[in-house]
Amino acid sequence: DIQVTQSPSFLSASVGDRVTITCRASQDISTYLAWYQQNPGKVPKLLIYDASTLQSGVPSRFSGSGSGTEFTLTISSLQPEDFATYYCQQLDSYSFTFGPGTKVDFK
Amino acid sequence: QVQLQESGPGLVKPSQTLSLTCTVSGGSISSGGYYWSWIRQHPGKGLEWIGYIYYSGSTYYNPSLKSRVTISVDTSKNQFSLKLSSVTAADTAVYYCARVRAAIDYWGQGTLVTVSS
Repeated sequence: DIQVTQSPSFLSASVGDRVTITCRASQDISTYLAWYQQNPGKVPKLLIYDASTLQSGVPSRFSGSGSGTEFTLTISSLQPEDFATYYCQQLDSYSFTFGPGTKVDFK
Repeated sequence: QVQLQESGPGLVKPSQTLSLTCTVSGGSISSGGYYWSWIRQHPGKGLEWIGYIYYSGSTYYNPSLKSRVTISVDTSKNQFSLKLSSVTAADTAVYYCARVRAAIDYWGQGTLVTVSS
């Protein structure tokens, strides 16, 4: 089974900051990676799929990059509504494993 | 607009079988191209993928749950279902159904299932 890790687990930031979250897969998954945002008590929201394709309706301050085993989610200028938990998910193998999440909190 | 809605008991006794159904509207399960999935989230924890079913009936399950999980589909009702046997308190979670292709683009609202006597 493909394992997925994320770093950091927690991130303290301020409005306007540039934020980068890293996701690593235990083996080559090409670009079969998605990113989600989840606010407390809410359903996760798809941000990025195929590693770098922005889902319709998602603000352009979100971007994704990477291929193979290392991927990044970047928020170019953090907005108040972006304080949330972010998950990556691999969709290469049959088992669509999620990363453990990165919580972005107020500094 | 595709919508998914979970339904089923919110309370299950230990050792019993958890059963949930996901009703899909605004799109047909039979149209193909999607993996109809179940995901759960333990209170205050991360997302755990449970498994999926294709419209043809082929399935794949999380190896850690495989011995206890069955996912089935009823294309006539445009529904798919989850059964998780021999539940314990560790199975208490919010259970989501979802549609997957390149990613999970549609989620159900989630349903909290508590395992308790």
